[in-house]
Amino acid sequence: AQKVTQAQTEISVVEKEDVTLDCVYETRDTTYYLFWYKQPPSGELVFLIRRNSFDEQNEISGRYSWNFQKSTSSFNFTITASQVVDSAVYFCALSEARTSGTYKYIFGTGTRLKVLA
Amino acid sequence: DTAVSQTPKYLVTQMGNDKSIKCEQNLGHDTMYWYKQDSKKFLKIMFSYNNKELIINETVPNRFSPKSPDKAHLNLHINSLELGDSAVYFCASSQDLRRLSPNRETQYFGPGTRLLVL
Repeated sequence: AQKVTQAQTEISVVEKEDVTLDCVYETRDTTYYLFWYKQPPSGELVFLIRRNSFDEQNEISGRYSWNFQKSTSSFNFTITASQVVDSAVYFCALSEARTSGTYKYIFGTGTRLKVLA
Repeated sequence: DTAVSQTPKYLVTQMGNDKSIKCEQNLGHDTMYWYKQDSKKFLKIMFSYNNKELIINETVPNRFSPKSPDKAHLNLHINSLELGDSAVYFCASSQDLRRLSPNRETQYFGPGTRLLVL
């Protein structure tokens, strides 16, 4: 069965520290997609990144970077030089494709990041 | 120019009442979803519709009935509300996977509707 594990329930760091959020997934699909979403205190879900199973290149976007490793079924997210505005709950998700043109996300339980000034 | 919108944003109601949450997307997507986020922040899919056809129906009580009048709208009606229905309900949309669209696997979420049943 599809599963996403975010073992870190809550992380607290001091501003400017680097922090890595872990995500481990399980799937039997050969083609799948992984995502990270941010949920700030205001409550909305903000899309951060999508990665398909055939692309293991790491990605960097500003202070954000993602490390996808199929060998360990992990898709970790690093924030460099964290800022207070990064405080949020971060969700990792795995897509489960359906033949009908739609699919569902399997979400991890989220990691609450607190960045202290 | 909101992409996925939901109304209302907040909903406070008594146990036993019937209520509806509306969702609209202006992204031209074919597929829409409802997710429930409980008090522990756990997000789980409830339903999905593709071109007004029900595709995914997870184990959700019959009191929850989605309705899709057209592919830009997916409403959620809840009968006989219970205390355990208190949660945040998120609507999302995506392009049909069968389309040749670069971001078709990405779901875009609405702002959420915070439902409190007293």
